[in-house]
Amino acid sequence: DAGVTQSPTHLIKTRGQQVTLRCSPISGHKSVSWYQQVLGQGPQFIFQYYEKEERGRGNFPDRFSARQFPNYSSELNVNALLLGDSALYLCASSLVASTNTEAFFGQGTRLTVV
Amino acid sequence: GESVGLHLPTLSVQEGDNSIINCAYSNSASDYFIWYKQESGKGPQFIIDIRSNMDKRQGQRVTVLLNKTVKHLSLQIAATQPGDSAVYFCAENQGGGATNKLIFGTGTLLAVQP
Repeated sequence: DAGVTQSPTHLIKTRGQQVTLRCSPISGHKSVSWYQQVLGQGPQFIFQYYEKEERGRGNFPDRFSARQFPNYSSELNVNALLLGDSALYLCASSLVASTNTEAFFGQGTRLTVV
Repeated sequence: GESVGLHLPTLSVQEGDNSIINCAYSNSASDYFIWYKQESGKGPQFIIDIRSNMDKRQGQRVTVLLNKTVKHLSLQIAATQPGDSAVYFCAENQGGGATNKLIFGTGTLLAVQP
């Protein structure tokens, strides 16, 4: 079975540009969460979506947005990129959105803003 | 504030020895904890989880201990192998029932010496 898949794997963007990252959850999983991992730190929660609705949001500016599609895949969009947005962006898939549910991560998208 | 942290940023062990990675959490209301392993260039890999109604859980070569009195979590790896070398994160689920938000610590680098 395929695990969580993310695309692209690597991306280089210029300050001020916009970027869209994509995630496909594990088959049968209905919840997708996004995390940002800056080098040398643990992942930080950005969003969680379940059944196409936002269920949680971390402490990130409005430049960050996301959505979930009927097939449960998700996109993370970041506008007006800053150098500080350079990070590994991780997608996590879980069966449902509740506490005590295992979350499985994809390999991530490495975003570099220059 | 709420946080999940680690006592040791780097742990060096000899191949075949047992490893113990520690983690402290501050939110006494948290009821679900997960250990992840992250190898260089990859996403976090689920190792083992534990719910707050338990104080010990065992997997294959790994054991997680939870001490709610002192808000401490540990991961024990038996007969550590070179393939265990990675960064290990503890994560606390702060979803509050309707979400699956994970709060990660900064991680411990486990270096296994042959």
